[in-house]
Amino acid sequence: AQTVTQSQPEMSVQEAETVTLSCTYDTSENNYYLFWYKQPPSRQMILVIRQEAYKQQNATENRFSVNFQKAAKSFSLKISDSQLGDTAMYFCAFMKHAINSGGGADGLTFGKGTHLIIQP
Amino acid sequence: NAGVTQTPKFRILKIGQSMTLQCTQDMNHNYMYWYRQDPGMGLKLIYYSVGAGITDKGEVPNGYNVSRSTTEDFPLRLELAAPSQTSVYFCASSSASRRTEAFFGQGTRLTVV
Repeated sequence: AQTVTQSQPEMSVQEAETVTLSCTYDTSENNYYLFWYKQPPSRQMILVIRQEAYKQQNATENRFSVNFQKAAKSFSLKISDSQLGDTAMYFCAFMKHAINSGGGADGLTFGKGTHLIIQP
Repeated sequence: NAGVTQTPKFRILKIGQSMTLQCTQDMNHNYMYWYRQDPGMGLKLIYYSVGAGITDKGEVPNGYNVSRSTTEDFPLRLELAAPSQTSVYFCASSSASRRTEAFFGQGTRLTVV
């Protein structure tokens, strides 16, 4: 079984600053996916960014980028030029590759989340 | 495009009562999931389904049942509700070919008193 650990329960930064959220995970799998989800007060789960473990290049999506360190099993999220709308809970999540889940749908394993507050 | 629709959005149950949380998706997705989110925690997988007639247990299935008679619907049944089942419940779906792109419903906040 895999586990996902987010060691920062809450973080607060000023608008326009850069912030990095940490995530570590534990798995015996070699092929898998990692995700960052955003959950604003509306409760909606929004996919921020996705990384495939077999790709060495770090994923980027506009102001969001990740630092994926496979050997260290670390997957941090960097938010540049933070905006008030970035205030939310952020969850790191893991999914097995389809090959390792018997081609089935194992679902996502989530960390406990980091509450990010962007101050004006 | 409705996406994933959950009903109800809120519900209060008394201990021992039963209820069904409804989930329907209009994207013709094969894969559907039920998660629960306890206060201050991430989501945990309750049950999932890879297609009509096929369901399987996730990490926390005790106290719940599911069925998948159609591709669109994946209801979650709570029998004999307990305070430990107070949580926010999320339904999600994805296609088999793009299983990393999960679409989530808005969630159902359930309180058992």
